[in-house]
Amino acid sequence: DSGVTQTPKHLITATGQRVTLRCSPRSGDLSVYWYQQSLDQGLQFLIQYYNGEERAKGNILERFSAQQFPDLHSELNLSSLELGDSALYFCASSVDGALGETQYFGPGTRLLVL
Amino acid sequence: DAKTTQPPSMDCAEGRAANLPCNHSTISGNEYVYWYRQIHSQGPQYIIHGLKNNETNEMASLIITEDRKSSTLILPHATLRDTAVYYCIVSGVQGAQKLVFGQGTRLTINP
Repeated sequence: DSGVTQTPKHLITATGQRVTLRCSPRSGDLSVYWYQQSLDQGLQFLIQYYNGEERAKGNILERFSAQQFPDLHSELNLSSLELGDSALYFCASSVDGALGETQYFGPGTRLLVL
Repeated sequence: DAKTTQPPSMDCAEGRAANLPCNHSTISGNEYVYWYRQIHSQGPQYIIHGLKNNETNEMASLIITEDRKSSTLILPHATLRDTAVYYCIVSGVQGAQKLVFGQGTRLTINP
C-alpha cells in the first residue's frame, strides 16, 4: 500500500459525458501527478500540481483539467469523453517535487467510455 | 529527460538473481535513474533509484556504470511475485519530476 488513494476504482460512462477522478496523496506530500495509461500509448504524464499550483504539464488534452485543493487532494476532470479516453488513470504523490524524490502511485481508476 | 533502452522481455528461474539492463547514454549530470515495476494493471511500484553510486534496499540493488550511461537492476532471489513489467526511467528536472515511461522489460519468473 503506497498511501495514495484514488476513487472510484472503476468508472463506466458514455461518450460526451464528463467525469471526475479523485486522488488523495500520501500524508505530508505536497506534489501530485496524474498519468494516463492506455493500450496504445503506454504510461503518459499528464500534469503535476504542487501545493495547489500547477507545476508542469504533459500531454494533457484541452478537454481535461485538474486542480489541487487546500487539503492537497486533487481531482482530474475529463469532459466531452471519447472512446479513446478509455484508460487507466493513475495519481502519484511526492513530498515536494525536488530532485531525487520518489513518486508513489495510487491503485488507479479504470475508465471505460462506451 | 534522457531516453532509456530496455530489452522487451526476459525470463528468470525462481530463486535465481534477475539482472535487468538499461541503457541511458544521453543522461545528464543531474538526472537520476529510477526503477519502477507494474504488476498487471496495478499502480507502478517504486523499486529503487540512484544518481551515481550503487544503491541497495530491501527489494533490489542498482548498479550504475561509472560513465552513467547504463545501469542494471538486480533482484537477488527472484520469486514468482516478481513477474512484472520493469521500467527504467531517467528524470531530473528540479521541481517538475515527471516520469517518462518507456515500454519497459516484461520479466517472467519461471518455477
